[in-house]
Amino acid sequence: KNQVEQSPQSLIILEGKNCTLQCNYTVSPFSNLRWYKQDTGRGPVSLTIMTFSENTKSNGRYTATLDADTKQSSLHITASQLSDSASYICVVTSRTNAGKSTFGDGTTLTVKP
Amino acid sequence: GAVVSQHPSRVICKSGTSVKIECRSLDFQATTMFWYRQFPKKSLMLMATSNEGSKATYEQGVEKDKFLINHASLTLSTLTVTSAHPEDSSFYICSARGLAGASSYNEQFFGPGTRLTVL
Repeated sequence: KNQVEQSPQSLIILEGKNCTLQCNYTVSPFSNLRWYKQDTGRGPVSLTIMTFSENTKSNGRYTATLDADTKQSSLHITASQLSDSASYICVVTSRTNAGKSTFGDGTTLTVKP
Repeated sequence: GAVVSQHPSRVICKSGTSVKIECRSLDFQATTMFWYRQFPKKSLMLMATSNEGSKATYEQGVEKDKFLINHASLTLSTLTVTSAHPEDSSFYICSARGLAGASSYNEQFFGPGTRLTVL
């Protein structure tokens, strides 16, 4: 069964600090992995998308890594801001199974002043 | 980036009535749109996959007669919650995927969501 597990479930950090969120998956065959940011009461917004051959991708203060061999990904947030407080969702898409996507449960990040 | 809109953003209705939610891809064509339901502090749960011009594919446990999906054009899909009950109250989110071969094909662009409250 295709699964995506994210850790930690929740995280509280001080403004200006860095943090790293983890995503482990069992989806196979792999097509792509995406990280989304979802503010409370809003739809998810794409941060990064990585295919099999990509190891790292940055989007401003967000840097995602992918190890397709160990089926792990991380999202690193640098110099956190209060506006980074949100849920971060890891989504992995299968190359078959009609391109179905499997969603992680998300990590809730709270940035405090 | 590609933009997906949803309308309405919030709706309150009485038990037994039907509610229609629209999902539009504003600046790209989407052969496939997805409908999700999200409970508080939970991740998105896929309800159905909607393909333009054909019947939607529903996930196991989702009642197709209760959640009617229509995808009549490459830019519009609608979800109608029929005979709504309080347990249907939830946050409904759609997403759209671009046409095969387009740069937007591997992405899913999400709408802002619709908060449905059934009294």
